[in-house]
Amino acid sequence: GIQVEQSPPDLILQEGANSTLRCNFSDSVNNLQWFHQNPWGQLINLFYIPSGTKQNGRLSATTVATERYSLLYISSSQTTDSGVYFCAVSSNDYKLSFGAGTTVTVRA
Amino acid sequence: DVKVTQSSRYLVKRTGEKVFLECVQDMDHENMFWYRQDPGLGLRLIYFSYDVKMKEKGDIPEGYSVSREKKERFSLILESASTNQTSMYLCASSLDFRTGDEKLFFGSGTQLSVL
Repeated sequence: GIQVEQSPPDLILQEGANSTLRCNFSDSVNNLQWFHQNPWGQLINLFYIPSGTKQNGRLSATTVATERYSLLYISSSQTTDSGVYFCAVSSNDYKLSFGAGTTVTVRA
Repeated sequence: DVKVTQSSRYLVKRTGEKVFLECVQDMDHENMFWYRQDPGLGLRLIYFSYDVKMKEKGDIPEGYSVSREKKERFSLILESASTNQTSMYLCASSLDFRTGDEKLFFGSGTQLSVL
């Protein structure tokens, strides 16, 4: 299966700081999604982004499919951004492989 | 917004019991999935279904079965629960591969403890 590596594994931010999370994958994909798991365990879909760039408020994501990586940008971080961010990819439309996640802690 | 509802937030069962985990989605999604999440192992796909009465094995189907009799409902069945099935179980759904809209939406999870 496709290997998914996320970096860094842990990130501690001061409120208001910006950050970049990275997702590398081992093969070509036609499906890439970013999720945020809040401290209560709920997984929220942030982006469906197999290629290109998207923005949603303070979050944006870029996928460079030809180079097999995706980046998630968090700007002006808030304490509510804390949690685990997962990247998930697939090459066959339905069987997503998840990375191990980046744990983000935003301190007030 | 899509709503994926799992019947229980916490569940405690005994070894050998038959366990049913229920999941319902309200957005007419074609595809439904069951994952389990374990510390250090991440999210792993157990089974998925792309249509009523259709199912396919994921990465770790052993010890589990599924049922999809209606489009909105996808059940995960542990025929004889074992302690190594203690985990967080997450149900998810997505619209349809053919539309190109494949965003995955998750329920809030069921933390199952098998004693």
